[in-house]
Amino acid sequence: SAVISQKPSRDICQRGTSLTIQCQVDSQVTMMFWYRQQPGQSLTLIATANQGSEATYESGFVIDKFPISRPNLTFSTLTVSNMSPEDSSIYLCSVRTGVTYEQYFGPGTRLTVT
Amino acid sequence: QKEVEQDPGPLSVPEGAIVSLNCTYSNSAFQYFMWYRQYSRKGPELLMYTYSSGNKEDGRFTAQVDKSSKYISLFIRDSQPSDSATYLCAMSEWGGGADGLTFGKGTHLIIQP
Repeated sequence: SAVISQKPSRDICQRGTSLTIQCQVDSQVTMMFWYRQQPGQSLTLIATANQGSEATYESGFVIDKFPISRPNLTFSTLTVSNMSPEDSSIYLCSVRTGVTYEQYFGPGTRLTVT
Repeated sequence: QKEVEQDPGPLSVPEGAIVSLNCTYSNSAFQYFMWYRQYSRKGPELLMYTYSSGNKEDGRFTAQVDKSSKYISLFIRDSQPSDSATYLCAMSEWGGGADGLTFGKGTHLIIQP
């Protein structure tokens, strides 16, 4: 398995601002992902964070809104840009170690946009 | 039709009962199936992982996959109050690489002492 930490754990932000969420893993991993969990909805994949290249976004998510960085094999950031109340959600970092196919999740960042 | 259907519950059972949690899916290409447990205000915790059809047992937990029916189940034996949580099923086509997971909405389980 892998130990995943996220910062911040929660935040309350004003409409129109941006927030960057950090994800740190205790060991090198092959794949890192970002998911969103909205109340009453399924966990939804936002994008795959690729080391050294642009992230791969799922349908409905765009780089201008959710820019992602992955400078190395243990760290990634997700920025939620120009926020609106609809962006209020839990954002989760997830990793696949490459040793097995299992996918592990961080504790999440609870974002409220007012 | 949503890709993965899961009854949101809540499902309330007495302590010691056998719990059955289920998901159905529409994408026949799914081959890798996972169950996660999520406590309130925590991230999902991987419980069980299975590939293709069949059963897998780990302690009090048994995962079953029936690909012909596009139906997966998680059984919890001798349920405990500490099992009270939301259970999420998840699945993917390839298991590795850049293949993310498709989730059900989760079933909220309550074990009554």
